[in-house]
Amino acid sequence: AQSVAQPEDQVNVAEGNPLTVKCTYSVSGNPYLFWYVQYPNRGLQFLLKYITGDNLVKGSYGFEAEFNKSQTSFHLKKPSALVSDSALYFCAVRDLGANAGKSTFGDGTTLTVKP
Amino acid sequence: NAGVTQTPKFQVLKTGQSMTLQCAQDMNHNSMYWYRQDPGMGLRLIYYSASEGTTDKGEVPNGYNVSRLNKREFSLRLESAAPSQTSVYFCASTSFGQGLNTEAFFGQGTRLTVV
Repeated sequence: AQSVAQPEDQVNVAEGNPLTVKCTYSVSGNPYLFWYVQYPNRGLQFLLKYITGDNLVKGSYGFEAEFNKSQTSFHLKKPSALVSDSALYFCAVRDLGANAGKSTFGDGTTLTVKP
Repeated sequence: NAGVTQTPKFQVLKTGQSMTLQCAQDMNHNSMYWYRQDPGMGLRLIYYSASEGTTDKGEVPNGYNVSRLNKREFSLRLESAAPSQTSVYFCASTSFGQGLNTEAFFGQGTRLTVV
């Protein structure tokens, strides 16, 4: 079975500071990893994904994520946070086993960026 | 670019009433999904349809039924609504089969309250 953990319910950072939103995963095979963002009263929007290749993945709005196979982590990062980055962030994993085609989502992390 | 469209956006039901949530995508995606989102619990998969003509149970299927009407449309039915089904429901689609590593596209959600 595949699973995802987002250990922090809430992350608070000051505008201009770097931010990290943590994600760890468990899959039986090779992981396909995703980050999504949800703004209030909206659906989830895709930010970035890791499939294969370079461990550092760049995505939308200046976000990036680092895949670490030994630590089974896929943390979301941004060098300089903006107030407009405040939202709910979800990590998701998909593998090629019995759940191929379905993603398992973490519980979400609320990011608050203060001016 | 409509993407994934869900109707209705809001609904209040009385316990025991039935209703159908509609979802349509215009991206020619093979796979469609229904999730529910509850505070602190992330997204949980209710049902999914890997391709036209097939449906399978997800993590929390009890109390729900689905119909994959055609490639575009995937509906979710509550036969006898219960207060525990108060939630925000999201429909999503991916091009599974055309690329396992593709991200999901989400609708705007249906906020359902059962009283």
